[in-house]
Amino acid sequence: SQQGEEDPQALSIQEGENATMNCSYKTSINNLQWYRQNSGRGLVHLILIRSNEREKHSGRLRVTLDTSKKSSSLLITASRAADTASYFCATVTTGTASKLTFGTGTRLQVTL
Amino acid sequence: GAGVSQTPSNKVTEKGKYVELRCDPISGHTALYWYRQSLGQGPEFLIYFQGTGAADDSGLPNDRFFAVRPEGSVSTLKIQRTERGDSAVYLCASSPGTNGELFFGEGSRLTVL
Repeated sequence: SQQGEEDPQALSIQEGENATMNCSYKTSINNLQWYRQNSGRGLVHLILIRSNEREKHSGRLRVTLDTSKKSSSLLITASRAADTASYFCATVTTGTASKLTFGTGTRLQVTL
Repeated sequence: GAGVSQTPSNKVTEKGKYVELRCDPISGHTALYWYRQSLGQGPEFLIYFQGTGAADDSGLPNDRFFAVRPEGSVSTLKIQRTERGDSAVYLCASSPGTNGELFFGEGSRLTVL
């Protein structure tokens, strides 16, 4: 079963614009992670935010977490064509011993 | 190699056959995960190993699916009496500890005809 729902399902922007993806989840979590997947490839970890953190940055990535609303957002600034991929949020539910549950994903298309 | 290795990368089989998919995790990683991903969907959890033991197998869909990790390193996912609905990409991931990031392999694409 899927824990998270990403919104939007698909996003198309031009190079240089910012891209924002949202994730909602259902349970109490230990942490929330974002992953990227290029077509036909494995997933690559981008960033992890713990339940007691509200915001985290890594390069052009900014992640926020609102545990009261059970939601997170991923912002990619100054997007590049190479950012074209699917992005997934994943959560570790409290008490589930590291079981990582993925959402449905956002397909991002960055055009020149 | 430095990353998670999965073999075969592609497997085509006939309905009813037995299939084994292999995962070689990053050396020293104690945690190993199997996921299944259908087209356009997120990865679906199957099973998680901590060392040699299955810490959580709640995602295995039925008793046709079984996974082992006998020496706490390489893992094999076994599917008996394959069905067309088993067609998907099977992803393996490993992690050095608990609750941290996962390192994924490139996946094994299974097609059941």
